[in-house]
Amino acid sequence: QVHLQESGPGLVKPSETLSLTCTVSGASISSYYWSWIRQPPGKGLEWIGYIYHSGSTNYNPSLKSRVTMSVHTSKNQISLKLISVTPADTAVYYCARQNPTGSHPLDYWGQGTLVTVSS
Amino acid sequence: SYELTQPPSVSVSPGQTASITCSGDKLGNKFACWYQQKPGQSPVLVIYQDTKRPSGIPERFSGSNSGNTATLTISGTQAMDEADYYCQAWDNTVVFGGGTKLTVL
Repeated sequence: QVHLQESGPGLVKPSETLSLTCTVSGASISSYYWSWIRQPPGKGLEWIGYIYHSGSTNYNPSLKSRVTMSVHTSKNQISLKLISVTPADTAVYYCARQNPTGSHPLDYWGQGTLVTVSS
Repeated sequence: SYELTQPPSVSVSPGQTASITCSGDKLGNKFACWYQQKPGQSPVLVIYQDTKRPSGIPERFSGSNSGNTATLTISGTQAMDEADYYCQAWDNTVVFGGGTKLTVL
């Protein structure tokens, strides 16, 4: 069974960098795309971007200037960095496996981690 | 950028059929999928490739996609189906609809 687990600080100060890690078990990171999605409290889902095991990425244009994703194949992990955060970046952050066919469905999700941006 | 539009809310009586729509320009030319999200939980994929159900998803969930509209249909709706539902498509990026709150009353 595929399992994803997000980890990282739950509180980040404005203007600083949000850093999260997603550890994948039950599947090799060397297949599929691996996505980050966020959900502000009480609001809808926003796709942040994906990374492939080769390191190729595709980011949401609205966040592209602030986002960096990395893959760590030996650890079966992916990571997310979001710079210059503001309170508007407060959200539950999810990692998910993205199947690169058809609608590119996100078929396995982590439990999510709440990141609050506040001083 | 590509946009998907869903009604904010849909209500249905137990045992009846619920239909949730998702509209986008020529959406029928793309594939759509649907997620269910219950409070405090992660989204769960319930329909992909317009009509396919992942393993473990009840048969009462079905999907269609034609023209500018994709539709998620829940037949014989149960109280446990009360949740937020999101449509999603691929337009060189992942695009989500705004979500629909399904109330079973």
